[in-house]
Amino acid sequence: AQSVAQPEDQVNVAEGNPLTVKCTYSVSGNPYLFWYVQYPNRGLQFLLKYITGDNLVKGSYGFEAEFNKSQTSFHLKKPSALVSDSALYFCAVRALNSGNTPLVFGKGTRLSVIA
Amino acid sequence: DGGITQSPKYLFRKEGQNVTLSCEQNLNHDAMYWYRQDPGQGLRLIYYSQIVNDFQKGDIAEGYSVSREKKESFPLTVTSAQKNPTAFYLCASTPLTAPGDYGYTFGSGTRLTVV
Repeated sequence: AQSVAQPEDQVNVAEGNPLTVKCTYSVSGNPYLFWYVQYPNRGLQFLLKYITGDNLVKGSYGFEAEFNKSQTSFHLKKPSALVSDSALYFCAVRALNSGNTPLVFGKGTRLSVIA
Repeated sequence: DGGITQSPKYLFRKEGQNVTLSCEQNLNHDAMYWYRQDPGQGLRLIYYSQIVNDFQKGDIAEGYSVSREKKESFPLTVTSAQKNPTAFYLCASTPLTAPGDYGYTFGSGTRLTVV
């Protein structure tokens, strides 16, 4: 079975400080990993993905994520937070060789960037 | 521009009524998905379809029904059997060719409220 854990319901950070939103996953075999962002009353927007290759993945709006196979983690990071980054962030996973099974999403982490 | 259109944006249902949420995509994507979003519970999969005239139950299919008569359309009916339908409903799609490479494209959601 596939699963995703986002251990923090809420992350607060001051504008200009670095931010980290945590994600750990469980799949059989190698994973596809994704981060999405959701603004109020909107659908989810793709931020970045990891399939293979470099463990550090760069995505939209200055976000990046680091894949760590030994810790089964895929934490989202940004060197300098903006107030406009305040939103709900979702991590998602599916196994590389699971056919076309649907993505499994975490419960989301609300990021609040304070000016 | 290509994308996914969900309608209506807001929907009110009386007790005992069936209501249908629309989801249309012009991305030529093969697979379509319905998720339910509740505060603190993340996204939960209701139904998905990978080809026309075929669909599979997700984790919380009870009280819902779907059809896939056209590739572009995947409507969701919330039946009177769904005891707690108040939620935000999200539709998504993806091509099946190398699905991990694309993740999902999401619609902007329908907020359903029981009155």
